Amino acid sequence: SQQGEEDPQALSIQEGENATMNCSYKTSINNLQWYRQNSGRGLVHLILIRSNEREKHSGRLRVTLDTSKKSSSLLITASRAADTASYFCATDAGTGFQKLVFGTGTRLLVSP
Amino acid sequence: DAGVIQSPRHEVTEMGQEVTLRCKPISGHNSLFWYRQTMMRGLELLIYFNNNVPIDDSGMPEDRFSAKMPNASFSTLKIQPSEPRDSAVYFCASSPGDLLHSPLHFGNGTRLTVT
Repeated sequence: SQQGEEDPQALSIQEGENATMNCSYKTSINNLQWYRQNSGRGLVHLILIRSNEREKHSGRLRVTLDTSKKSSSLLITASRAADTASYFCATDAGTGFQKLVFGTGTRLLVSP
Repeated sequence: DAGVIQSPRHEVTEMGQEVTLRCKPISGHNSLFWYRQTMMRGLELLIYFNNNVPIDDSGMPEDRFSAKMPNASFSTLKIQPSEPRDSAVYFCASSPGDLLHSPLHFGNGTRLTVT
């Protein structure tokens, strides 16, 4: 079963604009991770945020976590065509770090 | 670092045939995971190993699916007999430690088509 639900399912923007994707989850978590998947490729880890953290940055990426609302957001600033991909959130679903359960993903299209 | 290596990249087979997917995790990683991705169901965890031992296979859809990890550098996922509904992309991923600190490293997947 899906633990995370990303919103929106698809997002289309122009280069230079910011892209925001949201993830909601159901159970208590220990951490939340974001991954990117380019077409025809495996997932690539972007960023990990622990349950006691509220915000984390990595380059043009900014992730927030609100455990009271069971939600997270991924912001990509100054997007580029190369950011076109699907983005997934994943949590341990309270399994004690044993496994990751992935959300349904947001398909991002960045047009030049 | 060659990354996680999966073979074959594409597999087309007829219903009823046996299919074997292979994975070589990153050296030194002690956890290995098999996922299946479809449009309808997204990414599903099938099974994972820790130190070559299967820990949780509750995601394996049915007895037609089996997975082994005979040593730290090799794992297989076998489907026998295969059915059209098994068509999907199968990913192998490895991790150097527990998922509190360590992300998953994915291979590029095997696209399986069962006709």
